Order: sequence, then C-alpha cells, then structure tokens
Amino acid sequence: ETGVTQTPRHLVMGMTNKKSLKCEQHLGHNAMYWYKQSAKKPLELMFVYNFKEQTENNSVPSRFSPECPNSSHLFLHLHTLQPEDSALYLCASSRSPGQDYYEQYFGPGTRLTVT
Amino acid sequence: GIQVEQSPPDLILQEGANSTLRCNFSDSVNNLQWFHQNPWGQLINLFYIPSGTKQNGRLSATTVATERYSLLYISSSQTTDSGVYFCAVNTGGFKTIFGAGTRLFVKA
Repeated sequence: ETGVTQTPRHLVMGMTNKKSLKCEQHLGHNAMYWYKQSAKKPLELMFVYNFKEQTENNSVPSRFSPECPNSSHLFLHLHTLQPEDSALYLCASSRSPGQDYYEQYFGPGTRLTVT
Repeated sequence: GIQVEQSPPDLILQEGANSTLRCNFSDSVNNLQWFHQNPWGQLINLFYIPSGTKQNGRLSATTVATERYSLLYISSSQTTDSGVYFCAVNTGGFKTIFGAGTRLFVKA
C-alpha cells in the first residue's frame, strides 16, 4: 500500500458503543493528524502527533481518545459519542515543521454516523 | 488567529470553461496548499505553493505572499474537476488552517 490508508471507510455506531478508527502512513513521515469535517464546515484540526508525542489537542472532548504507538500508525478511540459527532474523520501525515517541504497528505477518510 | 477566506463559495461552469479561485489570508504564512476534495471525500494534493507560480497540466497556482493571497487557475474544465477546492495555510508549528472551500460543479 502507498500513501495514507484509513479503516474502516464507513462506520455506524450507537451512542453507547466503543469503536476505533485506524490510520497508517507509508510515506516515512514523522507527524500525523486527525481532522474532523462536518457538513458545511471547514476541516477542523483535532490532534497532532510528532514522533509519537502529542503536540496539539484542539479542545477536543474526552470521548475522543487518540493513540499513536509509532510514527506510522494513528488511532482514534471513540466512546459514548453524540449524534453531532457524525462527520468525516480524516487522517493526514507530513514531515515535521521546520523540515523542507512541509506538505500534508490525507487518507480517504472514515465516514462516521452516530445513531 | 489567522483568517482564511476563499471565493467564490460556489461556482458552476460549462465544460471547457476557465476559472479562477481565490484564497486570501490575514497574516504571513510559512506554507500554503491547494487541495481538491472529490465527491467521495478524498483530499487530493494539487499544489504546495508558499510563494511563486506552479503549473500542472490544466491547473496552475500563484501565491503572492507579500499581498497575502493565492490563486488557483483551472483551464478547459472537465466534469471530473467537480468537487470542493480548499486552500490551507500554516503559520508555523503544526496548526494548519483550512478555508471554507469553493464548491465547483462542471456541467457536461
């Protein structure tokens, strides 16, 4: 596989369920990102990890719990979500800022529906 | 924080027409990217262009960093160009700010 992959592509879950989103990058990058894209809104940055360390948490509710075991994998653990959390969740990766050519590459996204 | 404004918000073109999309930003930026989001949600990298001009086939982009704007030109549009075009800027660190996008529909 090349680029950035995400699984699952679609997810329907109830408000009491626990599920996880997975992201994997094959680009040799050091930074990984989670974004949320709700209908009719710009992409919102949720979390950033650089060399496995969290560097950004954009005031995200604790029902979203990220995990970055290494520079190639990123997870988003979900529990007790609300219907307004239904959205497209996008993962991205990049080199670290300060390196040349700081360009983000995105995965295909997971379309989440909370019922 | 930095504001990113894209115009127009919506654009309908006849196949074969040309168009210019604009991105204005309110502060100096370290880098700027243009993306195309296809109907399935995938964000496709078009240009990494913190300054200057680049061309790739029917698409080209120009960023005038001193005047805080970037332009994306689409020539001879095709139906496959339909989707949403985003401008995204970074002012340092990891935080990237996206504009609201321009929704393009190209009619056959």
